[in-house]
Amino acid sequence: ILNVEQSPQSLHVQEGDSTNFTCSFPSSNFYALHWYRWETAKSPEALFVMTLNGDEKKKGRISATLNTKEGYSYLYIKGSQPEDSATYLCASLNYGGSQGNLIFGKGTKLSVKP
Amino acid sequence: SQTIHQWPATLVQPVGSPLSLECTVEGTSNPNLYWYRQAAGRGLQLLFYSVGIGQISSEVPQNLSASRPQDRQFILSSKKLLLSDSGFYLCAWSRGNYGYTFGSGTRLTVV
Repeated sequence: ILNVEQSPQSLHVQEGDSTNFTCSFPSSNFYALHWYRWETAKSPEALFVMTLNGDEKKKGRISATLNTKEGYSYLYIKGSQPEDSATYLCASLNYGGSQGNLIFGKGTKLSVKP
Repeated sequence: SQTIHQWPATLVQPVGSPLSLECTVEGTSNPNLYWYRQAAGRGLQLLFYSVGIGQISSEVPQNLSASRPQDRQFILSSKKLLLSDSGFYLCAWSRGNYGYTFGSGTRLTVV
């Protein structure tokens, strides 16, 4: 059974703090790793799709790294702002699973206090 | 630009009643379509996906079914709802190796 784990489950930081979360995923038959940002009462929004080992992607103050050999990805937020408050989901796509079966973690819920 | 519409936003249904949730996509053709559910305390779980009209794959045995009568329309149904069907349902589409685009979701409460 393919499992994607995220930690921590929740995180409370002050405005201006930098923070990071972890996503661990099955490294065998890896195809792609997705990160999503899910704000309350909105749809999950794609942040990054990463496929290559060592890949690093950046969007504004948010960046992510990928290690496909050991099966983990980190999401970093630099200088957190209240509008960064959301649940951050990662999801793994592996060969051998059903086509299109993106396996999601339970997410890390980030709260940024002003 | 591509958009995805999902309705209704919230639904309260009695046990044993039927269900129909609809999802439509605009601005793209031949998308892969998905139904996900988030039950309380759990992550998003894939229920069904479709790579074309009339082609439905089910990931977990359950009380639900899905249909794709048109290229950009994906319907989630049940003949008789169970309490365990309560949850947050999300429709999504994808094309190629890009992130999925999700609908706004339906909060279903079965009472």
